Amino acid sequence: KQEVTQIPAALSVPEGENLVLNCSFTDSAIYNLQWFRQDPGKGLTSLLLIQSSQREQTSGRLNASLDKSSGRSTLYIAASQPGDSATYLCAVMESWGKLQFGAGTQVVVTP
Amino acid sequence: ETGVTQTPRHLVMGMTNKKSLKCEQHLGHNAMYWYKQSAKKPLELMFVYSLEERVENNSVPSRFSPECPNSSHLFLHLHTLQPEDSALYLCASSQGSYPATNEKLFFGSGTQLSVL
Repeated sequence: KQEVTQIPAALSVPEGENLVLNCSFTDSAIYNLQWFRQDPGKGLTSLLLIQSSQREQTSGRLNASLDKSSGRSTLYIAASQPGDSATYLCAVMESWGKLQFGAGTQVVVTP
Repeated sequence: ETGVTQTPRHLVMGMTNKKSLKCEQHLGHNAMYWYKQSAKKPLELMFVYSLEERVENNSVPSRFSPECPNSSHLFLHLHTLQPEDSALYLCASSQGSYPATNEKLFFGSGTQLSVL
């Protein structure tokens, strides 16, 4: 059974520092890996989708890498801002289109 | 605004009540999903509808009953719930028919449900 783990569960950084969020998964037979952002009491916003054949995806200050063989993905957020404070979730797309989510990393960026 | 609208935003109900959650998507998508998000737990897939037919029922208790009258609307009917059913219920949609193996999901803001 696929398990998705996100470490750390929470972190706090001062504004301007780079953020590094980790995600690991146990079964490498995935179609893609996705990163989402969730603000308190809100739904999820899709940030990046990395297909299983890709190594990384970039969007603005966000960069996500994927190493399928080791079952790991890392989300980098450059030059963090207070507006980046949120919970970041990673999810892997298994066979039959099921998304398996991690529990998330809660990020606080202090001014 | 993601194009997926959920109502109500908040709902408090007793264990004997019957209520319904509503989801509407304005994106022309073909697949719609219900997810449950409990405190400190990963999101759990509950139901998937593709082209208005249910294609996934993820071992959800019968006190949760989904309905998809057309491709734009999805309901979750609730009856005889338990306090442990209190959670954020999220609706999502994706463009292609299920399984959407390489498509993004678009989520609504959710309904925060409290069962007393």
